[in-house]
Amino acid sequence: EPEVTQTPSHQVTQMGQEVILRCVPISNHLYFYWYRQILGQKVEFLVSFYNNEISEKSEIFDDQFSVERPDGSNFTLKIRSTKLEDSAMYFCASSEGGGLNIQYFGAGTRLSVL
Amino acid sequence: AQSVTQLGSHVSVSEGALVLLRCNYSSSVPPYLFWYVQYPNQGLQLLLKYTSAATLVKGINGFEAEFKKSETSFHLTKPSAHMSDAAEYFCAVTKPGGGNKLTFGTGTQLKVEL
Repeated sequence: EPEVTQTPSHQVTQMGQEVILRCVPISNHLYFYWYRQILGQKVEFLVSFYNNEISEKSEIFDDQFSVERPDGSNFTLKIRSTKLEDSAMYFCASSEGGGLNIQYFGAGTRLSVL
Repeated sequence: AQSVTQLGSHVSVSEGALVLLRCNYSSSVPPYLFWYVQYPNQGLQLLLKYTSAATLVKGINGFEAEFKKSETSFHLTKPSAHMSDAAEYFCAVTKPGGGNKLTFGTGTQLKVEL
């Protein structure tokens, strides 16, 4: 069964460093998403991406965040200068279409900022 | 804005007993509602979704949920718990025609005991 894959499963970084979280969505999907879950808190929407541009973003998704689909298969989330409060589980998701199309989630990348 | 509240961060049931996981929603318009399950070290997997058709929705693994507008609820049930049901369960909501952003509850950890 096709699945969304995320690498690495765990990323440790120093505060102020840049990190790139990588995702390979399901191959025929057109919509891509990032969510995050801070330990003990809700899963929160960060951004959605369609047709090579951001279609919606939350207030969390400020200028230190960016997303890219560099090569037609990967979908990346970049955090330019990490802060302690960026420590969280980051989930990538993809869907075939918009609206009620099911979002399929990856297993997540746990980001630890020291 | 849409939101969901999951009562009970931890629920424990005996194997064979009824599973009831509670979710209440808040929405200015009739919402679309979802239940996702997360097994350890895996991504979020869709159990079922409500999209304004039948109010009783059947999902995978014997789970079902009933949309009750008068109670603003979408509780998840399963008649007989199995050890393999132990996981974290998330209720989520999205606004019809409002983009694809999912808004999640805080999750309920289900423990199944012998």
